[in-house]
This record gives sequence, structure tokens and C-alpha cells, in this order.
Amino acid sequence: GIQVEQSPPDLILQEGANSTLRCNFSDSVNNLQWFHQNPWGQLINLFYIPSGTKQNGRLSATTVATERYSLLYISSSQTTDSGVYFCAGSQAGTALIFGKGTTLSVSS
Amino acid sequence: GAVVSQHPSWVICKSGTSVKIECRSLDFQATTMFWYRQFPKQSLMLMATSNEGSKATYEQGVEKDKFLINHASLTLSTLTVTSAHPEDSSFYICSAGQGQAFFGQGTRLTVV
Repeated sequence: GIQVEQSPPDLILQEGANSTLRCNFSDSVNNLQWFHQNPWGQLINLFYIPSGTKQNGRLSATTVATERYSLLYISSSQTTDSGVYFCAGSQAGTALIFGKGTTLSVSS
Repeated sequence: GAVVSQHPSWVICKSGTSVKIECRSLDFQATTMFWYRQFPKQSLMLMATSNEGSKATYEQGVEKDKFLINHASLTLSTLTVTSAHPEDSSFYICSAGQGQAFFGQGTRLTVV
């Protein structure tokens, strides 16, 4: 099955800093999503991005499908951005496979 | 976007009892749903694929007799943890959707 590698595993930032999270896939995927998991466990979908670039406020994501990786950019980070970020991918008709996550801590 | 609802959000049960968790797709039909489990400080691990009208497919290492899955309609899948033990305490979450996956709120199970 697909292997998903996320980096870095942990990230500590000062408020206002920018960051880039990366996700590598061992094989091509048809579906790719980025999530933020809140303290109650709920998965907040950030982007559905099997290819291309999308932006939503201070967040943006880029997927280069031919090279099997995706990047999540967080600009001007805020303390509320803290938490665990997951990327996950799947091939058609199969379940999303998750990376191990990046734990982000933003301090004021 | 589509909505997946999971119930209950949290449950505490005694060791040896069974617990049922429901996963509903509220505004779309789902022939396939997926169940995941997440232990503290770990990632989400796929447990099983729930197929409407047929048997579930379990991932390696997941006991099918312990985690009973029923997908009796196009909008409802249930996961029953039978004879629960403290080591079954975990966060269980379901998903559905073609292409983009939509997740339920998750169920935090504590077995005492």
C-alpha cells in the first residue's frame, strides 16, 4: 500500500513566522487532503488537493502529483494554528492513508 | 460539503461489555465507509472498509470478531466493539465520500 511521509515531525514557531510542511507519497495518489486535528480530535479539512495550488486565507497548499509530494504553507502563524497537521492520500476507491503528522506549536 | 455524523462522541464502558458506534452520511449515499482508530499521540490507522450489503474488509491485525461492522443501508455503518478491554480504549473515527473524504466527529472510547 501507499506510504506517506510527513516532515518535520515537530515544529516550534514564534507568532508571525511562516512555515512549510511537507508530505511525500511512495506512489501516485488520486486523492490528497490536508487536515488540522483540533484538541477534541476532530479532523478539520484544510484542503482537498490532488494536484495544483489552492489558497485559503493564511494557508495555501501545493501538490506536485508527478513528483508525489505536497506542501502546506502557513503564513503569519498564530497561536490558534497550534495542533497536529496530517496529510493523507489514496488511490481511487480506497481509503485515505495518513502520514504520522506534524505537531505545530506557535508561541506568542 | 457533505456531512458525516458519528455518534456517540464519547463513551465509557465496563470491561467485557460491548459498545456500538454509528456513522451516518447525512446528505449523500455511501456504499463504502471507512473506520479508523487513533491512539494518543499517534496517527490515524485504517481498521476496516465497510461495504453496503456485503462483508467488511479488515486490515491486517484487526480482529474481525472483536470489531463487528455492519453497513445495512446506504447512509449508515456501525462499528461494535465486542467484549471491550482497556486496551481497546481509543479514538474511533469514520469517513465516507467519493474523491474527497468527509469525516465524522469521532468517538472517544474509554474502557474501565
